[in-house]
Amino acid sequence: DQQVKQNSPSLSVQEGRISILNCDYTNSMFDYFLWYKKYPAEGPTFLISISSIKDKNEDGRFTVFLNKSAKHLSLHIVPSQPGDSAVYFCAALTSYAGGTSYGKLTFGQGTILTVHP
Amino acid sequence: EPEVTQTPSHQVTQMGQEVILRCVPISNHLYFYWYRQILGQKVEFLVSFYNNEISEKSEIFDDQFSVERPDGSNFTLKIRSTKLEDSAMYFCASSTGNSNQPQHFGDGTRLSIL
Repeated sequence: DQQVKQNSPSLSVQEGRISILNCDYTNSMFDYFLWYKKYPAEGPTFLISISSIKDKNEDGRFTVFLNKSAKHLSLHIVPSQPGDSAVYFCAALTSYAGGTSYGKLTFGQGTILTVHP
Repeated sequence: EPEVTQTPSHQVTQMGQEVILRCVPISNHLYFYWYRQILGQKVEFLVSFYNNEISEKSEIFDDQFSVERPDGSNFTLKIRSTKLEDSAMYFCASSTGNSNQPQHFGDGTRLSIL
C-alpha cells in the first residue's frame, strides 16, 4: 500500500535554514492532509493540516503547501531549530459527510529531520 | 493540555496468549482509533470506534482482534491469541469528530511476542 509516500528517508539542515519535507499521494479521494512529528518513545504529535480546497496553510514557523494537480504536498519549517529534529509523518484521509477527524489516517513512511546547531 | 494515555508502555507476552492494551482517550473526544507500527514500517490503521461500535476496520483487524469501551473512560484493544507478527508499537488515538480537528495520539504500547 503506497498511497502516501515520503521518498526522502532523511534530511539534514543547518539551524536557522529552511527545512522542506515532501510527500506524494496517489489516492484522489484524499481531501485532508496532516503532518505529524514524532520523537523517540513518544506518539505522533499533530503539527499542521490542510484541506484540499486550499493550497497553503501557515502556522508560525510551519507552512504546508498542497499541489493537487501533482498530488504533492510539502512542509516548510523556517527557521529550523535543533528541537525540530524528529521523524515527520505525512498523513492523509478521506473525510465523510464534511467531517475531517473521523476518517482513518493513511501515513507515509516518515522522514527523519536532523537540524544541526 | 489533555492527552491520550496508554498502558502499559511495554508488554511482553508468550505467543498464543491473550493481551489487552489499554487507552484513556481525551475526555471530550468521541472517536477512538488503534494504529500499529511494526519496526521499520509505516504506521498502519487498525480500527476506528464511535458510539460503542466499530465504524471502520482494516484487513489487519481480523477475528483475533477486538475493541471495547468498557466504561466511560477506557478504550481497549484485545488480541486473543498473539502471534510473533503481532510484535509492534500500538498507538491509540482520539478525536472530537469536529471539522478540522486532528486525531491525538498516545505514546504507544510496545508489544513484544516471544
